[in-house]
Amino acid sequence: EAGVTQFPSHSVIEKGQTVTLRCDPISGHDNLYWYRRVMGKEIKFLLHFVKESKQDESGMPNNRFLAERTGGTYSTLKVQPAELEDSGVYFCASSQDLSNTEAFFGQGTRLTVV
Amino acid sequence: AQSVSQHNHHVILSEAASLELGCNYSYGGTVNLFWYVQYPGQHLQLLLKYFSGDPLVKGIKGFEAEFIKSKVSFNLRKPPVQWSDTAEYFCAVRSGNTGKLIFGQGTTLQVKP
Repeated sequence: EAGVTQFPSHSVIEKGQTVTLRCDPISGHDNLYWYRRVMGKEIKFLLHFVKESKQDESGMPNNRFLAERTGGTYSTLKVQPAELEDSGVYFCASSQDLSNTEAFFGQGTRLTVV
Repeated sequence: AQSVSQHNHHVILSEAASLELGCNYSYGGTVNLFWYVQYPGQHLQLLLKYFSGDPLVKGIKGFEAEFIKSKVSFNLRKPPVQWSDTAEYFCAVRSGNTGKLIFGQGTTLQVKP
């Protein structure tokens, strides 16, 4: 069974540009999460999809970040325009249920804004 | 607000030493508790989890953790450590009725051969 897959693994962009990160969850997992780790800090929750609906987007930093999950399958996280402070590692995770199950993580996308 | 505190940010041990990484959390309701590990160049993977029942849980690779409700702690242990345990370790809490995880700052473990 394929795990959670994220594309790209690394991205270097200039300030002001747009970047789109993609996450393919484990097949059949309705719950999809985005997290971010800024260097030296803890991994922080960004948002949670249940199928195609945003269940909780309380962690999204600002309106430069847009997440979508069309059709309830893969998800994209777009940053437009990117700022220097957006640099970090973006993790995606998926789980089958909300409680009493674990979340499986992708390898992360390392975003560097220069 | 929920929070997770890992007391050790960087730990260096020699092989065969005993490991204990501290984790305390702040949340008043029912919680699920996790330890995740990230080996160099790899993705985050689950070491062990506590949902209910026996507070002493065993995970992969000889790791175990004990949930002590009175101390709001979930410390990770492994006796003895191996060089291959060199990695970053994350304690995380999930409240019972949501899916999101709250992570601690992470502890980098370096095991010297």
